[in-house]
Amino acid sequence: GNSVTQMEGPVTLSEEAFLTINCTYTATGYPSLFWYVQYPGEGLQLLLKATKADDKGSNKGFEATYRKETTSFHLEKGSVQVSDSAVYFCALRQAAGNKLTFGGGTRVLVKP
Amino acid sequence: NAGVTQTPKFQVLKTGQSMTLQCAQDMNHEYMSWYRQDPGMGLRLIHYSVGAGITDQGEVPNGYNVSRSTTEDFPLRLLSAAPSQTSVYFCASFGGEGGYTFGSGTRLTVV
Repeated sequence: GNSVTQMEGPVTLSEEAFLTINCTYTATGYPSLFWYVQYPGEGLQLLLKATKADDKGSNKGFEATYRKETTSFHLEKGSVQVSDSAVYFCALRQAAGNKLTFGGGTRVLVKP
Repeated sequence: NAGVTQTPKFQVLKTGQSMTLQCAQDMNHEYMSWYRQDPGMGLRLIHYSVGAGITDQGEVPNGYNVSRSTTEDFPLRLLSAAPSQTSVYFCASFGGEGGYTFGSGTRLTVV
């Protein structure tokens, strides 16, 4: 079946540091890949997505590239802010159907 | 604002009690789903529905029932609550290219 593996947290950074959260997946065919963000006390919000190999999703300074050869979708941001403190989830959606499969989530804490 | 509305936000139940978590969306989405969120395990799919009158099981359906009598509503029922059902529950609807919209969650504690 489908699965998503992402690095465990928490990840603690200083403001303006570089952030990378690794995500790898197992799936048949060509799934769509997503990063969701969950701020404290809130639901999940779509951060970015990519629907085919070599696509790059980007939003709010975050980027992730769909790498079919390494089955990865790593999230990066060049300069984090305190407001980026949240839990980040990597997820995939199989081409057929609408179910999302999530990774375990990575908590990121950015200190001033 | 358009979106997914979940009620209640917090609930404490005693073991064996029953309750219904409510979920409503006003975006006319056909696909709706329920997830539970547990530390270190991400979100796991409980049940989903592809339209009114159609429901199916997800990854962790035991102990939960759902029904879908209208496009807008997708309630989740716990028939006999157990401590293992202590979790945060999220309802989500899917709108095609618009992607998923999640509710703000229900934090349930079973004592």
